[in-house]
Amino acid sequence: AQKITQTQPGMFVQEKEAVTLDCTYDTSDPSYGLFWYKQPSSGEMIFLIYQGSYDQQNATEGRYSLNFQKARKSANLVISASQLGDSAMYFCAMSPSGNSGGYQKVTFGTGTKLQVIP
Amino acid sequence: DTAVSQTPKYLVTQMGNDKSIKCEQNLGHDTMYWYKQDSKKFLKIMFSYNNKELIINETVPNRFSPKSPDKAHLNLHINSLELGDSAVYFCASSPLNYNEQFFGPGTRLTVL
Repeated sequence: AQKITQTQPGMFVQEKEAVTLDCTYDTSDPSYGLFWYKQPSSGEMIFLIYQGSYDQQNATEGRYSLNFQKARKSANLVISASQLGDSAMYFCAMSPSGNSGGYQKVTFGTGTKLQVIP
Repeated sequence: DTAVSQTPKYLVTQMGNDKSIKCEQNLGHDTMYWYKQDSKKFLKIMFSYNNKELIINETVPNRFSPKSPDKAHLNLHINSLELGDSAVYFCASSPLNYNEQFFGPGTRLTVL
C-alpha cells in the first residue's frame, strides 16, 4: 500500500522568494515514482515534475526542483523565485514503477494551498 | 487539439437520475483513468483501463460503470445519482509504463 502525506494545508510566500512544499511517503514497492501536480483555481491538473526512486540526481524543471531524500522518504517540491501565477493547490503523488501490467496506480496527497503575496 | 477532453464541463442533476461523462484522448495513450476530487480537494482514483480492459476498480459503488469503446475513449456512467456523488471528476491518460498522467479539464457534477 502507498501513502502520501502533505502536512501543510496552506502556505504563504512573498513574490520572488523560494518556497518548499513538504511531502513524505510510505510504500513497500521497491521501485516507484514521485510527482508533483499543480491545480490552479481554474481547476485543471498540471504535471510539474517527476522523480524516479532510483534516479541519482534530484529532478529539476525550470523553477521547480524536487528535493528527494530516499532514506527519509521525503520528496519536497522547491519553487524558486515565486510568481503570482504560482498561487494554486499543489499535490504530491506516487505510483509503483516498472512493468506493472500497463497501468500505474497513482496515490495523491491531500494537497497544499500556496498563496504568493505581491 | 486538446490532449484529454471531457464533456460536459458542468453537470447539474437531480438525485436518482442517471448521467454519463465522456472522455477522449488524442495522445495515443494505452491507459486511461477516472478520478474523483471531493469538496476537500482530495483526489482518489476510481478506475483504470488499459487497452479497453479494466485494470483498477477501487471500491467504487456499482452505480458507477466505466465503459471503454476503444483505446481513445473512457466514459463514466452513473446510475441513481446521490448527493454524495457531487464532486469534480477527472479523466486522465498515460502511455504504457510511463508515470506522467495527462489530465482532462474535469467535470463538476452537482447532485441536487
